[in-house]
Amino acid sequence: NAGVTQTPKFRVLKTGQSMTLLCAQDMNHEYMYWYRQDPGMGLRLIHYSVGEGTTAKGEVPDGYNVSRLKKQNFLLGLESAAPSQTSVYFCASSLYSGRGTDTQYFGPGTRLTVL
Amino acid sequence: GESVGLHLPTLSVQEGDNSIINCAYSNSASDYFIWYKQESGKGPQFIIDIRSNMDKRQGQRVTVLLNKTVKHLSLQIAATQPGDSAVYFCAENETGANSKLTFGKGITLSVRP
Repeated sequence: NAGVTQTPKFRVLKTGQSMTLLCAQDMNHEYMYWYRQDPGMGLRLIHYSVGEGTTAKGEVPDGYNVSRLKKQNFLLGLESAAPSQTSVYFCASSLYSGRGTDTQYFGPGTRLTVL
Repeated sequence: GESVGLHLPTLSVQEGDNSIINCAYSNSASDYFIWYKQESGKGPQFIIDIRSNMDKRQGQRVTVLLNKTVKHLSLQIAATQPGDSAVYFCAENETGANSKLTFGKGITLSVRP
């Protein structure tokens, strides 16, 4: 199994440009998450999904949109990139929730710079 | 609000010594805790977890201790190796919170040869 993969690994955008980050998992996990990681801030949850066709807001959702059309994929979109969105983005997935005891497995990250 | 934090931003240990990384949490309803390791340029990697009905759990060279009375979590690494150098995060979860984890800011472990 490849686990959790992310595309692309690096990207540089100009302010106002749009892009989509792709996350894929081959573990048949129900739950998927998007985080951003900034120096000194730890991991902050942007959006998450509890199953195919569902999405929900996390801690810092503004400026981002997500879609979960297929169980194995979770897309993160930036419609109009801003320098404040310069960060490292991590996708994660977990098998099942409701019990609160399911480990999240992370992808390798996407480093995004917005000029 | 509720938060998970770490006491020290950096920890330097001699190769071969034992390392202890500490974490305090404030949500008394949290019932599941995880330690992650993140190497430079990589995503967080699961190390070990513990549920609130336990106070100790051991893995390969790692032990997690949970003290619910003082809301404290620690990660012990035996015979620390250069490959253990990384940032370590604790995370906590409350059952029913849709598996959303709250992460601490991370602590850097540096192993001296």
